[in-house]
Amino acid sequence: QSALTQDRSVSGSPGQSVTISCTGTSNDIGGHDLVSWYQQHPGKAPKLMIYDISQRPSGVPNRFSGSKFGNTASLTISGLQAEDEADYYCCSYSGLYHWVFGGGTKLTVL
Amino acid sequence: EVQLVESGGGLVQPGGSLRLSCAASGITFTYHWMSWVRQAPGKGLEWVANLNEPGNDKYYSDSVKGRFTISRDNSKNSLYLEMDSLRAEDTALYYCATHGGRKFGLWGQGTLVTVSS
Repeated sequence: QSALTQDRSVSGSPGQSVTISCTGTSNDIGGHDLVSWYQQHPGKAPKLMIYDISQRPSGVPNRFSGSKFGNTASLTISGLQAEDEADYYCCSYSGLYHWVFGGGTKLTVL
Repeated sequence: EVQLVESGGGLVQPGGSLRLSCAASGITFTYHWMSWVRQAPGKGLEWVANLNEPGNDKYYSDSVKGRFTISRDNSKNSLYLEMDSLRAEDTALYYCATHGGRKFGLWGQGTLVTVSS
């Protein structure tokens, strides 16, 4: 159960768009349409932002979108705002009711 | 108020045991799969275990299988994690989370477990 691979950090200026990628294998991301994304501010609990690759829970701004191609999933944040600065984690089903997270990406809003 | 509140964390020696609890309120607890997810200090998230609504199907990560036991008491709207043979690498903030619809929807604030002599 190796963790999914995420870039350690990304950055962008207010108003810009950034994309965070998450790479797995055919056993997890590539084999199932069950990718979710979580936002975590320092000292806070994670918050669900995207599920089932591209679905947004109620209350999550439509600036957040998700996609998947092959073994890689992506989270795109458009119109960056200061409050988007946080750590982001991807998560995928990996079979047999097991789940695997990515190592996390720190988003800095310049 | 919709919330999950974890408790039971603390300092324990290597090889010791600890029981974590998670109290749910504001949700229909019996409708949800539940999970434990942990986060070592300064590290990422790691799924630990989950179980189905009645609590008779349980699944564990390889790193805790055979040492941890997840359970629930639906009459008390509570989730538990019994942790035995604890190791230094089990040191983490332990979160409980609802796990319905194949997503971790609602999270508690976590309870800290420190394994050290």
